[in-house]
Amino acid sequence: EVQLLESGGGLAQPGGPLRLSCAASGFTFSSYAMSWVRQTPGKGLEWVSLISPSGGNTYYADSVKGRFTISRDSSRDTLYLQMNSLRAEDTAIYYCAKANGGSNTPFDFWGQGTLVTVSS
Amino acid sequence: DIVMTQSPDSLAMSLGERATINCKSSQSVLHSSNNKNYLAWYQQKPGQPPKLLIYWASTRESGVPDRFSGSGSGTDFTLTISSLQAEDVAVYYCQQYYRTPFTFGPGTKVDIK
Repeated sequence: EVQLLESGGGLAQPGGPLRLSCAASGFTFSSYAMSWVRQTPGKGLEWVSLISPSGGNTYYADSVKGRFTISRDSSRDTLYLQMNSLRAEDTAIYYCAKANGGSNTPFDFWGQGTLVTVSS
Repeated sequence: DIVMTQSPDSLAMSLGERATINCKSSQSVLHSSNNKNYLAWYQQKPGQPPKLLIYWASTRESGVPDRFSGSGSGTDFTLTISSLQAEDVAVYYCQQYYRTPFTFGPGTKVDIK
């Protein structure tokens, strides 16, 4: 059974850092692209970042480019999102999502999400 | 960026009625090399993450009831629920995965009348 378990969310200071993790199980982690998608409470979905199966290619939304870094560790079957220079508008539920193939494929499994709140 | 729009914003139908949601992309998401539309539909119920329903515009994900169907090509797509059930109350999103940023539509809220 595919499972994605996010962690690392919480309260962060504006301008500060936070690192999210997503522990994956139930599938061959290194064979699938992985992504982060966020959702402001009560609002719609915003794609944040994607990493290819090998980790060699990464992609970002303009709103986070230069501030967020996606990475993966296949030895730990874990996806990461390093978030720096956080802003109030980064406040959201962050979902880890598994693609059902390479980079240009839909997201067939999602974690339950972790809430990030950016506030002083 | 490819902008996704959806209509209507919300709809309320009686149990057993047909519900239709439209999605439009600002650019074609049909890839000429494989003739596939890079378009997915997701269902999100309150307090839950999104769930993949349809991909490649018309392929139903495993385990999804056959009352859900997707159609369309290029820039215009439709999600149809042939006979609305109580458990279908949710927000439905379309998404293009043709080109990054992988954009989502604003969502359509489906309720029971």
